[in-house]
Amino acid sequence: EDQVTQSPEALRLQEGESSSLNCSYTVSGLRGLFWYRQDPGKGPEFLFTLYSAGEEKEKERLKATLTKKESFLHITAPKPEDSATYLCAFRRRDDKIIFGKGTRLHILP
Amino acid sequence: DVKVTQSSRYLVKRTGEKVFLECVQDMDHENMFWYRQDPGLGLRLIYFSYDVKMKEKGDIPEGYSVSREKKERFSLILESASTNQTSMYLCASSPLRATNEKLFFGSGTQLSVL
Repeated sequence: EDQVTQSPEALRLQEGESSSLNCSYTVSGLRGLFWYRQDPGKGPEFLFTLYSAGEEKEKERLKATLTKKESFLHITAPKPEDSATYLCAFRRRDDKIIFGKGTRLHILP
Repeated sequence: DVKVTQSSRYLVKRTGEKVFLECVQDMDHENMFWYRQDPGLGLRLIYFSYDVKMKEKGDIPEGYSVSREKKERFSLILESASTNQTSMYLCASSPLRATNEKLFFGSGTQLSVL
């Protein structure tokens, strides 16, 4: 069964303390791996799409990478405003977009 | 900016009531989706639509139906609300089927069924 697993479930970091969030997947014929950010009380907001192993995308303090088995969202020198839940998702063979359960990130000032 | 508007932010209903959740998008998007989000379960796809009057079942369609009479509007209907349908409901849209990974979400409707 195609699925994604995100770890850790929750992460607390000090401001400026870099770290990575993991999204491991077991998907036959991956047709895109996606990252979203969700703030409390809001819907998810699209961040990145990755299609092939070795691909990287960057936006401000965030960098997403993809291997054949997992994707990482690297956060460099985070700030309190980076606190959110980060979701990874993939396109299933039937074109449906399926989400992982997310990592709740909290950056302490 | 793309805007996806859900009609209610909070909703409280009684068991057995028929419930309508409305979603409107203003960017002429082809695709629209309904997800529910529960703690520990993440987002799960209920129904989606790639065109007016067209609908397809997601992974958890039981107890729900949808209506898409106009391109900009996608309604989720709970035929007879039950307590296990208490959840955050999120509507989303995307421009084309080929690029449907970039979903634009509304702010959600927190539904409580008592």
